[in-house]
Amino acid sequence: EAQVTQNPRYLITVTGKKLTVTCSQNMNHEYMSWYRQDPGLGLRQIYYSMNVEVTDKGDVPEGYKVSRKEKRNFPLILESPSPNQTSLYFCASSFVAARPRNEQFFGPGTRLTVL
Amino acid sequence: GENVEQHPSTLSVQEGDSAVIKCTYSDSASNYFPWYKQELGKRPQLIIDIRSNVGEKKDQRIAVTLNKTAKHFSLHITETQPEDSAVYFCAALRFKLIFGTGTRLQVFP
Repeated sequence: EAQVTQNPRYLITVTGKKLTVTCSQNMNHEYMSWYRQDPGLGLRQIYYSMNVEVTDKGDVPEGYKVSRKEKRNFPLILESPSPNQTSLYFCASSFVAARPRNEQFFGPGTRLTVL
Repeated sequence: GENVEQHPSTLSVQEGDSAVIKCTYSDSASNYFPWYKQELGKRPQLIIDIRSNVGEKKDQRIAVTLNKTAKHFSLHITETQPEDSAVYFCAALRFKLIFGTGTRLQVFP
């Protein structure tokens, strides 16, 4: 089954404790992206990757890191989480923009609470 | 960079009425405009999309229109049903997908 998976789905942690949220897709997509969703602010892009070893900042990259060592995986790293990073996080993937239909597939989401 | 504005932020309609959500974008080179529906507690899912060389697209009760000159596009839902209640996001793509802030649609029976 074609899908995007994220782990963990729920996480409660404390300020300063490094964490990683994993994201994996099995559709051979080149493009992968991380978003955070906050009430009234919609989906804001954190980082994106056009292909392996190619990553770029989105609109709200501060406090986050990513890596793209393999095509299927795109982990999100919070080196020193803070309470303002409490949010719902979505990973997404798609083919690159040149396709006629460029549907972005979303993972199930990770609800992160930083105390 | 690209900016996408979406209105209204909330919309309440009676079952059977129509609902219209509007978005404007800033980058005239954007060429792909999808709409996503997010039900409560679920992930966003694509419901309809349109490319810049098309003015209108329909899929049963939903339709999207695009006005490239004015740089705006709209989602139209006819004969709304309670299961249409959700948050709807528009987006515009040039090199990356930029989302609007979402519209919470409530359909009352």
